[in-house]
Amino acid sequence: QKEVEQNSGPLSVPEGAIASLNCTYSDRGSQSFFWYRQYSGKSPELIMFIYSNGDKEDGRFTAQLNKASQYVSLLIRDSQPSDSATYLCAAPNNAGNMLTFGGGTRLMVKP
Amino acid sequence: NAGVMQNPRHLVRRRGQEARLRCSPMKGHSHVYWYRQLPEEGLKFMVYLQKENIIDESGMPKERFSAEFPKEGPSILRIQQVVRGDSAAYFCASSPAATYEQYFGPGTRLTVT
Repeated sequence: QKEVEQNSGPLSVPEGAIASLNCTYSDRGSQSFFWYRQYSGKSPELIMFIYSNGDKEDGRFTAQLNKASQYVSLLIRDSQPSDSATYLCAAPNNAGNMLTFGGGTRLMVKP
Repeated sequence: NAGVMQNPRHLVRRRGQEARLRCSPMKGHSHVYWYRQLPEEGLKFMVYLQKENIIDESGMPKERFSAEFPKEGPSILRIQQVVRGDSAAYFCASSPAATYEQYFGPGTRLTVT
């Protein structure tokens, strides 16, 4: 059974700092990972996906994948109060039939 | 380009009634997924459908729940004889193909009284 684990937080960072969110997974066969942002009472919004080892940057967001250590992380540079949300890490099963989500990390960016 | 559409956004049902949730995928997407998020819990997969086919329903409760994605029209998640434990947010997602990124609709928040 594929498992995706996240620290529930809350992770509190000051405005302008780098927020680092981590996710570990149990299935060594996992090939891709997705980061979603979910504001309270809203639906998940896809913000990043990564398929290969290393870093992938998109604006203030950087996703990092380390398959040997089985972790994936999301860095948010220059954090803003509007980044305050729950961040969900997800991995598809091999057939792509479903996403398994971590429990999410709640991020709080304080002005 | 319209995103994933779900309706209704909020649905209140009394115990024992039926709930019907509808989902229209993004244009060009033929893969539909349903997830459920219980209060203060994570997202859990329920079912994966393509047009006229249920591909994977391993996350669906064995009784009272069913899903379809007809050749014409939206995907439907149907819950018969609802109970209070069915109160949750139900999200639909779509993708252009399996293993590709999934985009979520706004969800239907079901409240069973």
